[in-house]
Amino acid sequence: DVKVTQSSRYLVKRTGEKVFLECVQDMDHENMFWYRQDPGLGLRLIYFSYDVKMKEKGDIPEGYSVSREKKERFSLILESASTNQTSMYLCASSAGQGGLDEQYFGPGTRLTVT
Amino acid sequence: AQSVTQLDSQVPVFEEAPVELRCNYSSSVSVYLFWYVQYPNQGLQLLLKYLSGSTLVKGINGFEAEFNKSQTSFHLRKPSVHISDTAEYFCAVSDLGYKLSFGAGTTVTVRA
Repeated sequence: DVKVTQSSRYLVKRTGEKVFLECVQDMDHENMFWYRQDPGLGLRLIYFSYDVKMKEKGDIPEGYSVSREKKERFSLILESASTNQTSMYLCASSAGQGGLDEQYFGPGTRLTVT
Repeated sequence: AQSVTQLDSQVPVFEEAPVELRCNYSSSVSVYLFWYVQYPNQGLQLLLKYLSGSTLVKGINGFEAEFNKSQTSFHLRKPSVHISDTAEYFCAVSDLGYKLSFGAGTTVTVRA
């Protein structure tokens, strides 16, 4: 079974702090994704990566950056957390190329910025 | 960019009754269509997908969906629901790129 793990289920940070969210997948998938999930808005793509050290902006990249130094690990960084970044963050991975393949999701990290 | 509309935000349904969740998308090009389910306190998992071929797609847990190109719809159905089907359901569309565009989600609450 594909497993996608996220470093924390719940996280509370203060405004202005630098925040790291870590995601690890164990199936040698090429592609990894970071989404945020908000009620009534569904999932919105922040960034994705289709190879090590490669990254592409999604629909809402402002205020975020990412890092992929190893194939299995994809990190989301909030350089200076703000209250409007309070949300559920979901990581996903998929094999192959293009939009054909199933994405496998982690359990999510609920981030609260106070 | 793709746009996905899930027409119902909340669907209450009694156990063993049928359920239909509606999804429309905006695109004039070939798309791939997906339904994902999110059980409470879990990540999303794939229910079914349409890539090509038969317009009726069968998925896990007794769900099926019908692709209608002329109406740009991909509605999800189950003839008889269980309590365990209580979850949030997301319709998603992909073009030939890597990105999935998700709808806002439909919360299904199954009551005994």
